Amino acid sequence: QKEVEQNSGPLSVPEGAIASLNCTYSDRGSQSFFWYRQYSGKSPELIMFIYSNGDKEDGRFTAQLNKASQYVSLLIRDSQPSDSATYLCAVSGGGADGLTFGKGTHLIIQP
Amino acid sequence: DAEITQSPRHKITETGRQVTLACHQTWNHNNMFWYRQDLGHGLRLIHYSYGVQDTNKGEVSDGYSVSRSNTEDLPLTLESAASSQTSVYFCASSSGIEAFFGQGTRLTVV
Repeated sequence: QKEVEQNSGPLSVPEGAIASLNCTYSDRGSQSFFWYRQYSGKSPELIMFIYSNGDKEDGRFTAQLNKASQYVSLLIRDSQPSDSATYLCAVSGGGADGLTFGKGTHLIIQP
Repeated sequence: DAEITQSPRHKITETGRQVTLACHQTWNHNNMFWYRQDLGHGLRLIHYSYGVQDTNKGEVSDGYSVSRSNTEDLPLTLESAASSQTSVYFCASSSGIEAFFGQGTRLTVV
């Protein structure tokens, strides 16, 4: 049984600071890693995905993957109040199988 | 623009009734998924399909069924609704990389 663990939070970060979200996973065969953002009452929306060890940057967002440690993180630079949401980490074995999600981290950006 | 839509958005039903939730996507994706989201449990996979006539059980499939007669639709049926199935249900589709989610259906079983 694949497991994905996240700290549920809430994680409170001042506006303009860096928010750091972490995730660990149990299945060493996992190949694809995703970060979704979910606003209250809305559906999850994809922010980033990463396949290879190292960092991947997209605007204010950086995803980091360490397969040896089975660890994925998401950094949000210059945090804005609009970044306040629940962030879901998800992993996949690759290809078409369904994603396994963590329970999410509730992020609050304080103005 | 391509999209994925769910209907109804909200439904209240009685225990023991059969309920079907619709999911329709215009992405032309082969892969479709149904998840439920509950407080304290996050998103859990119910059923998924890789293509027409293909269906597979997910982590929490008991009491649910799906059928895939075309690429666009994957309806989710609750055979005999139970209070434990009160939840928010999300449909998703994927080309094999990123998954796109519908708006969700809030189902209440009374």
